[in-house]
Amino acid sequence: DAGVIQSPRHEVTEMGQEVTLRCKPISGHNSLFWYRQTMMRGLELLIYFNNNVPIDDSGMPEDRFSAKMPNASFSTLKIQPSEPRDSAVYFCASSPLYRDRGAEAFFGQGTRLTVV
Amino acid sequence: AQKVTQAQTEISVVEKEDVTLDCVYETRDTTYYLFWYKQPPSGELVFLIRRNSFDEQNEISGRYSWNFQKSTSSFNFTITASQVVDSAVYFCALSRQNQGGKLIFGQGTELSVKP
Repeated sequence: DAGVIQSPRHEVTEMGQEVTLRCKPISGHNSLFWYRQTMMRGLELLIYFNNNVPIDDSGMPEDRFSAKMPNASFSTLKIQPSEPRDSAVYFCASSPLYRDRGAEAFFGQGTRLTVV
Repeated sequence: AQKVTQAQTEISVVEKEDVTLDCVYETRDTTYYLFWYKQPPSGELVFLIRRNSFDEQNEISGRYSWNFQKSTSSFNFTITASQVVDSAVYFCALSRQNQGGKLIFGQGTELSVKP
């Protein structure tokens, strides 16, 4: 398997522009997660989906952020409008969904977003 | 509330030294899972190990070993005979039962192994 695939790897955009980050999870994984990594806050969960349904979006910082998972093999994280403080590395991760035990998450290579 | 603390922000060792990375966690759950991830300079997050709360056996994988002690809420990671390629940021993480990849991360420990 190719692992979790994110695109683009790097994105530089101007403040106020819309940014869309994309993720293809590992085939067969039922859970998908979007994390953000910054120096100040470390790694934090933004939102996660089980079977394409958003379960917990309490980590989404503002209404400017939205995420969708239209099918089992694709998810997007959109920021509109973007601001300089959104600059960070955004990771997508996927894992199997087990009812009775935990499962490790496998991460994509991340998208480094810079908003100028 | 769940919390993971990695008190060591940075560690620097010379190649072939042994090094232990500390991880202390807080949870009121009886069933939970602990993880270690490695983030090399290239930036990706690499899964190293998962341990559930009912299994306190230590684990060894090559030069890596993990010591899980529920009595002290610790899940420490030791690298034996460190190598330059071990230089990375290492994250300890915690998840609740049935919440798989929903991870609460520690702040990470940056390990630098010098030749």
